[in-house]
Amino acid sequence: AQKVTQAQTEISVVEKEDVTLDCVYETRDTTYYLFWYKQPPSGELVFLIRRNSFDEQNEISGRYSWNFQKSTSSFNFTITASQVVDSAVYFCALSERDRDDKIIFGKGTRLHILP
Amino acid sequence: NAGVTQTPKFRILKIGQSMTLQCTQDMNHNYMYWYRQDPGMGLKLIYYSVGAGITDKGEVPNGYNVSRSTTEDFPLRLELAAPSQTSVYFCASSHIRTDPFNEKLFFGSGTQLSVL
Repeated sequence: AQKVTQAQTEISVVEKEDVTLDCVYETRDTTYYLFWYKQPPSGELVFLIRRNSFDEQNEISGRYSWNFQKSTSSFNFTITASQVVDSAVYFCALSERDRDDKIIFGKGTRLHILP
Repeated sequence: NAGVTQTPKFRILKIGQSMTLQCTQDMNHNYMYWYRQDPGMGLKLIYYSVGAGITDKGEVPNGYNVSRSTTEDFPLRLELAAPSQTSVYFCASSHIRTDPFNEKLFFGSGTQLSVL
């Protein structure tokens, strides 16, 4: 069965520090998609990235980077030089395209960036 | 372009009452989803739909019903509200399979529901 585990419930770092949010997933499919979403204090959910199972290239977007490793079933998210505006709940999600069309979310990691 | 619109934003129900959470999208998305978010529990999938006339259960469907008579609308029905259904509800839609390079969820702004 598909499952997403975000073991870090809450993280606090001081501004300008780097921080990595962990995501471990379980799936029986060979074709699947992984996502990260951000939920700032205002409550809306903001898409950050989508990665398919055939593309293991790491991705960098400004201060954000993602490390996808199929060997460890992980899709970790790093924020470099964190800023207070990065404070939010971050969700990792998984969908198994070959099996059904559900998108399953992890429990989220609440990130506090302290000034 | 409104995206995904949810109504109402807030609602208080008494135990046993019923209500419908409305969700509509104007992006011609085939796929629509209902999630509930409980504190510390992330997002749990209630029901989803891959197109008009087709719905399927998610992780936590008990106590809810859905219908998808049109591409645009995906209402969520609570028949006998219970305190356990106090949560924030999010509707989402996606182009999945019709636009494989743009597979992401577009979320509504959420409905905060309290059952007392």
